Parts: sequence; C-alpha cells; structure tokens
Amino acid sequence: GENVEQHPSTLSVQEGDSAVIKCTYSDSASNYFPWYKQELGKRPQLIIDIRSNVGEKKDQRIAVTLNKTAKHFSLHITETQPEDSAVYFCAASSGAGSYQLTFGKGTKLSVIP
Amino acid sequence: DTEVTQTPKHLVMGMTNKKSLKCEQHMGHRAMYWYKQKAKKPPELMFVYSYEKLSINESVPSRFSPECPNSSLLNLHLHALQPEDSALYLCASSAQVEVRGVQFFGPGTRLTVL
Repeated sequence: GENVEQHPSTLSVQEGDSAVIKCTYSDSASNYFPWYKQELGKRPQLIIDIRSNVGEKKDQRIAVTLNKTAKHFSLHITETQPEDSAVYFCAASSGAGSYQLTFGKGTKLSVIP
Repeated sequence: DTEVTQTPKHLVMGMTNKKSLKCEQHMGHRAMYWYKQKAKKPPELMFVYSYEKLSINESVPSRFSPECPNSSLLNLHLHALQPEDSALYLCASSAQVEVRGVQFFGPGTRLTVL
C-alpha cells in the first residue's frame, strides 16, 4: 500500500518568514495530494490540493509543488502569521478506484510573533 | 449546507455500554468515511461507504459497527469498547462523481472509554 513520509515533525518560524513542509510517497499510481490544517481541538481542514497533471498550485500565501518523478510534494507558506500555527498533514490517494487517503504523520508549525 | 456535522461532540462511556455516533451531510456526497484520530497522530481510516454500501473496512474490530441508513447519514455503533478506543472519531464525505475527490471532515466526536 501507499506510504507517506512527512518532514519535519515540528517547525518554528518567525512571523513573516516562510515555512516549507515536505512529503514523499511510495505509490507511483497516486495522483491526488491534499494538505490539511488542523488546529488544536478542531477538524482537519483542506487548505490546498494538487493533482498529478499539475506541477504547482498557488492560493494567496500558500503553494504546493509536486515532483512526480521524485515522488515528493511540498507545502510552502509565505509571510507566515500567528494564525498559521497548527498541525499540517499531507496525504496521498492510495489506489485505483479507491477513495482512500494515506496521511503523513503531521508537522506542528509554530509561528512566533 | 456545505458542512459535515457530527453528534455528540463529546461522549463518555463505560466498557459495557452501547452508544452511537452520528454523522450527517447535505452536500449530495455519495462517499462517507469514518476515521479514528489519536492525539498527535494523523487520522486513521476505519470504514468507507460508497453509495450507501460498505466498500472498505480497514480490519476494524467488530465492537465498531458502521451503518449508512441513507445517502446523508452515517452512524457508528459502539459496543464493549476498550479504554484504548478513546480517541477523536472523525466523519468525512466526498463527492462520488470524480475519482479521488476532496474529503471534507466533520468536527469529530471526542470519545472517552472508562
């Protein structure tokens, strides 16, 4: 089955700096890669996603890049703000005809004012 | 309505109790999911329903029994749980019209088993 590795597990940045979280996946058939943000005690919320026919996608301060050859994808957050502090999970779909998502272990991002 | 709702928000139960978790969505989604999330861990898939039929059971113990009465509702019946089953139980849904569609999560039920 699919295996998703996520790094780093914790990340602290100064407000206004950029943050980068990286994930690698094992199943070359995976073609959908969402990123979820989960604040303490809240539900995971989709912040951006990318499909394998696209190399990069941007939404305001958030961008995701995908390298299919290397089987890795990254989340980039620019001009970080304290409200960006949360746990971020990457995920990958895991099989033809399946709606299964395999999640990475998460990155706890702390933005220091 | 663009949300997945879950009730109750919190549940405390003994190991001999029977209880149920409820999930509802009115987005017309035909795939619904149950996840279990322990503290500081990612969501872990338990069950997937596609068009009201169980399509994936990730080897979940029989003390967890899912039910999908209609396209908008998903239940998780709990019986004879163990303390290690204490966790946040998340429901999610996605549209069926595209493969690997976006999953939207509910707020979860925080379950404590005594």
